[in-house]
Amino acid sequence: NAGVMQNPRHLVRRRGQEARLRCSPMKGHSHVYWYRQLPEEGLKFMVYLQKENIIDESGMPKERFSAEFPKEGPSILRIQQVVRGDSAAYFCASSQSGQPRREAQHFGDGTRLSIL
Amino acid sequence: DAKTTQPPSMDCAEGRAANLPCNHSTISGNEYVYWYRQIHSQGPQYIIHGLKNNETNEMASLIITEDRKSSTLILPHATLRDTAVYYCIVRTPGGGSTLGRLYFGRGTQLTVWP
Repeated sequence: NAGVMQNPRHLVRRRGQEARLRCSPMKGHSHVYWYRQLPEEGLKFMVYLQKENIIDESGMPKERFSAEFPKEGPSILRIQQVVRGDSAAYFCASSQSGQPRREAQHFGDGTRLSIL
Repeated sequence: DAKTTQPPSMDCAEGRAANLPCNHSTISGNEYVYWYRQIHSQGPQYIIHGLKNNETNEMASLIITEDRKSSTLILPHATLRDTAVYYCIVRTPGGGSTLGRLYFGRGTQLTVWP
């Protein structure tokens, strides 16, 4: 009964490099959400995806950040040309259906991204 | 924007009930109240949610007032492992795509002491 799996748990990058964060939703879940938590702050919504579709990316920075959820494989959050301000914990959540008001999102344990 | 108000911190003795309040005076008739918690360095954990009626599961009870303007999460027998930040969330209104997001405010830091 695997939950939401995120990898890597910790990722270190130098400024200017690319970071790729992966998220495998719970079995049977086709909706994925990404959140970011800066140090000492609450979680902030970034993007909501269904298989092969971006539903809501209004929380995503306009530049350098992208997300995908392909037909096969995990969801990927990609950060290009990372800067120190990207250092944060990135959490992925998944849900089963399109009834978000009634259904909980289940979270993974996150990827801690550190930028040197 | 935050639609809920929670005290920043509370504490509770181990074995006693922890009652965490939340005000959501502008809640709409079809919005659910959700509770999550986040134990240090872990991902948020879903606890419970409800619309109008009180709800109970193996983790907690949720009491929603009749006017739905406030609610209380009850952990009946708190343990040290219940020490966490507890978030009360009202699902963001709006149509279509914005239904997906959860808004996490500052939450309540609950400390359970021995």
